[in-house]
Amino acid sequence: AIQLTQSPSSLSASIGDRVTITCRASKGISRALAWYQQKPGKVPKLLIHDASSLESGVPSRFSGSGFGTDFTLTISSLQPEDFATYYCQQFNEYPLSFGGGTKVEI
Amino acid sequence: EVQLVESGGGLVQPGGSLRLSCAASGFTFDNHWMHWVRQAPGKGLVWVSRINSDGTDTRYADSVRGRFTISRDNSENTLYLQMNSLTIEDTAVYHCTRDPNTPGAFFDYWGPGILVTVSS
Repeated sequence: AIQLTQSPSSLSASIGDRVTITCRASKGISRALAWYQQKPGKVPKLLIHDASSLESGVPSRFSGSGFGTDFTLTISSLQPEDFATYYCQQFNEYPLSFGGGTKVEI
Repeated sequence: EVQLVESGGGLVQPGGSLRLSCAASGFTFDNHWMHWVRQAPGKGLVWVSRINSDGTDTRYADSVRGRFTISRDNSENTLYLQMNSLTIEDTAVYHCTRDPNTPGAFFDYWGPGILVTVSS
């Protein structure tokens, strides 16, 4: 099974900061990666799929990049509503798997 | 508007069974693969199972294979998860999720989830 390792597991940032979260796969997954945002008490929200395709309605300050084993989610200018936990998910092969999450805090 | 609403959760003893349902609306249900994803309290997301559009192909996480069965009734726009031989480790909120009609298996809509608690 493919393991996804996210780093950092948590980070502290300020409004307006540029934030980068990484996700490393235990084997190559091409571009078969999605990113989700989850706020406390809410369901996850799809942000990006296929490594860099922005889901409709997601602000353009979110971007994704990567191929193979190394991926990044970048928030160009952190907004108050962006404080949440972020998960990566691979869909290159079954069983599907998620990273452990990155909590973005003030 | 896409809606996914789970039901059937609750408290069950170890070794017991539960059947979760997910009522889907607002989209053409039989066009989409569907998944179950769970989240233990305070923990991360874990993919559980997937079923294809017509119900002929299913996949499972290693941790539930042989104990859980995913199925669907396209005439009723309903997804199911039969859970047998439950253990304490199965305690989680179970989300019904939709797979968009693109190559790949990710989740564009999520139900609010239903809590399953396995405890004696």
